[in-house]
Amino acid sequence: DVKVTQSSRYLVKRTGEKVFLECVQDMDHENMFWYRQDPGLGLRLIYFSYDVKMKEKGDIPEGYSVSREKKERFSLILESASTNQTSMYLCASSLADSYEQYFGPGTRLTVT
Amino acid sequence: AQSVTQLDSHVSVSEGTPVLLRCNYSSSYSPSLFWYVQHPNKGLQLLLKYTSAATLVKGINGFEAEFKKSETSFHLTKPSAHMSDAAEYFCVVLGKAAGNKLTFGGGTRVLVKP
Repeated sequence: DVKVTQSSRYLVKRTGEKVFLECVQDMDHENMFWYRQDPGLGLRLIYFSYDVKMKEKGDIPEGYSVSREKKERFSLILESASTNQTSMYLCASSLADSYEQYFGPGTRLTVT
Repeated sequence: AQSVTQLDSHVSVSEGTPVLLRCNYSSSYSPSLFWYVQHPNKGLQLLLKYTSAATLVKGINGFEAEFKKSETSFHLTKPSAHMSDAAEYFCVVLGKAAGNKLTFGGGTRVLVKP
């Protein structure tokens, strides 16, 4: 079974802090994705990556950056956390030409 | 560009009765469509997919969905709800012209009453 793990289930940070969310997949998938999930809005794509050191902006990249130094790991970075970034963050991965994405359990981030 | 609208944010059913979750889509291309389910404190799981083969698609746990091009709909149904079906369901369209990016609907939360 594909396993996608995220470093924390719950995280509380203060406004202005730099925040790192980590995601690791164990199935050698080429593609990795970061979404945020908000009630009534479904999932919205923040960034994705097709390969190591490659990244593409999604629909809502403002206030976020990403890093992919190794194939299995994709990090989401909030350079200066703000209260409007309080949300559930979901990581996903997929094979290069596959539409089927496998999701991690999510990190619920609260910024106070 | 593609978009997805889930017509109900909440659906409440009694155990043993049918479930209907409504989804309409917009896509410039012949779409690929999916339903995902998210149980409390769990990651999203693929329920079923439509990729231009049979218009009636069967998925896991007794769910099925019918693709209707004339109505631009992809409604999800199950003949008899079970308590374990209580979850949030997402209708999703694949953007083939956009690097295989998924676009999610707003979600429908299903409550199953005993």
